Amino acid sequence: DTVLTQSPALAVSPGERVSISCRASEGVNSYMHWYQQKPGQQPKLLIYKASNLASGVPARFSGSGSGTDFTLTIDPVEADDTATYFCQQSWNDPRTFGGGTKLELK
Amino acid sequence: EVQLVESGEGLVQPGSSMKLSCVASGFTFSNYGMNWIRQAPKKGLEWIALIYYDSSSKYYADSVKGRFTISRDNSKNTLYLEMNSLRSEDTAMYYCAKSGPQWTFDYWGQGVMVTVSS
Repeated sequence: DTVLTQSPALAVSPGERVSISCRASEGVNSYMHWYQQKPGQQPKLLIYKASNLASGVPARFSGSGSGTDFTLTIDPVEADDTATYFCQQSWNDPRTFGGGTKLELK
Repeated sequence: EVQLVESGEGLVQPGSSMKLSCVASGFTFSNYGMNWIRQAPKKGLEWIALIYYDSSSKYYADSVKGRFTISRDNSKNTLYLEMNSLRSEDTAMYYCAKSGPQWTFDYWGQGVMVTVSS
């Protein structure tokens, strides 16, 4: 299976820019997607196919990357962005998720 | 508005069976593939099953293959997950999720908790 590796946690101040990384154990072309999960809630799709914003997602969120290295950027960060962010690939079967990056605000 | 509402939450003993349901609304259910995804306590997400819009194909994660069965009833806008031979490691929050663009999961239910313990 394709293993997706994310940093466990990040802490940033409101108004700053934050980049969350995801590295795949093998190439996934551009088929990397990002989800936001707030405490006690279900995940929500933010970005699909590396850089496409899902419906209703603020333009503060953006994505980049291809192959094995991908980045989710939030600029500027707001207090409401406190959540865990997961990457997910759909190039290789089975579809797999990263372990998640917990974003905390200072 | 797309809504997915799961039911069937509970506590069961190892080796037993359980069936989850997910009722969909706000979109044409019969046009989309549907998935089950689970999340063990304090853990990450694991996709476990996919069913095509017309039930013509079904796919499973190795961890549940042969024990779990995904099905759907398009006349009732309902997705199901039949779980047999349950193990402690199946303890998790189970989400149903609609297939989205590029094989994403674009809408998720609120989830139901399945606890397997003696």
